[in-house]
Amino acid sequence: GAVVSQHPSRVICKSGTSVKIECRSLDFQATTMFWYRQFPKQSLMLMATSNEGSKATYEQGVEKDKFLINHASLTLSTLTVTSAHPEDSSFYICSAASEVSYNEQFFGPGTRLTVL
Amino acid sequence: SQQGEEDPQALSIQEGENATMNCSYKTSINNLQWYRQNSGRGLVHLILIRSNEREKHSGRLRVTLDTSKKSSSLLITASRAADTASYFCATDAGTSYDKVIFGPGTSLSVIP
Repeated sequence: GAVVSQHPSRVICKSGTSVKIECRSLDFQATTMFWYRQFPKQSLMLMATSNEGSKATYEQGVEKDKFLINHASLTLSTLTVTSAHPEDSSFYICSAASEVSYNEQFFGPGTRLTVL
Repeated sequence: SQQGEEDPQALSIQEGENATMNCSYKTSINNLQWYRQNSGRGLVHLILIRSNEREKHSGRLRVTLDTSKKSSSLLITASRAADTASYFCATDAGTSYDKVIFGPGTSLSVIP
């Protein structure tokens, strides 16, 4: 299947700082990318849907000013957690889909964020 | 709210036994997918079953879909210790073809 990478895989930051997470589709053009958050022993919760060249669509309860999403190209989407706090500590996973892949999403390996 | 609900939440079996996990959802769907996640790792896509399909096989995996009951099951036959993981069903949101919503998952432990 298609390959999606995330960088960094782990990040530890101080409270109040901003953290940027990158999601790249390595061998296909992703028209749509999704960002999920997963707390320990819980399921993945969709945060937002990102389409190349347009504004992201955020799920109810997700603050768009806190979780900035940029999908500047067909192979890269970034999630910036602004002014991170300990409650933002979580596992962030992106996925990518293309018109060719129909409805199958290809998931990145995830980024473990720890806010001290 | 989440679209899919899995049961059981946790399942512990002996190696060699079969494991069955169930998933129920609330609204009409276009397709349903099953994923596996090892602890602290990313997701692995297992099977996608479309709404007009009733059963699908992939190696030791068998997935069924009953759209009248809005439910699906994942059967892993002859389980192995390496099958220990969390298993999630995921459905499209019904109105949006691209968005996928995950159920709470089943934590499977296969004891050697």
